[in-house]
Amino acid sequence: AQSVTQLDSHVSVSEGTPVLLRCNYSSSYSPSLFWYVQHPNKGLQLLLKYTSAATLVKGINGFEAEFKKSETSFHLTKPSAHMSDAAEYFCVVSPAGGSYIPTFGRGTSLIVHP
Amino acid sequence: NAGVTQTPKFQVLKTGQSMTLQCAQDMNHNSMYWYRQDPGMGLRLIYYSASEGTTDKGEVPNGYNVSRLNKREFSLRLESAAPSQTSVYFCASSQTGWIHFGNGTRLTVT
Repeated sequence: AQSVTQLDSHVSVSEGTPVLLRCNYSSSYSPSLFWYVQHPNKGLQLLLKYTSAATLVKGINGFEAEFKKSETSFHLTKPSAHMSDAAEYFCVVSPAGGSYIPTFGRGTSLIVHP
Repeated sequence: NAGVTQTPKFQVLKTGQSMTLQCAQDMNHNSMYWYRQDPGMGLRLIYYSASEGTTDKGEVPNGYNVSRLNKREFSLRLESAAPSQTSVYFCASSQTGWIHFGNGTRLTVT
């Protein structure tokens, strides 16, 4: 069995300040982990993916995430928020074995204030 | 390279009507999925197909049926639409952990 918990339903930051979106997971298999972003009324865009290579993964638009096996976490960070980062963010776990079914967190809404 | 293509993009149904959402992928992936997205719930799995000829229920299968017509295509059918099925539907395919999504279908049932 696998699950994903996004610890915050909403995160509010000021433009130019750091962003931290938290994600914890559980998986019976060594997982692949993803972060997706969804802007209003848009589809899902892949930000980054962890696949058991480097534990610090760099993605698009200045985002990065660190895989911490001991904490079963995969938190998403960005040093400086931009207004265009305002969106819904989803953490996804997909096991490396079994049926490969991707499981989504409930999402974190990032609000960026000018 | 089209990736995952979903049709239609928008649909409005009356309660009790039926419709089929179409999904096709051109990446030769074995696994395909249908999700629904509702506010505050993330994406929840409706049905999935691990390979051609097989389908299995996900977290929220009630009111839906699926067909894996061939390796490329995986359709989702609503036999008798209900207002609770108003949602955004996403089709996805994957191979060895890479996931590709369609652009979604926004369905409203009145």
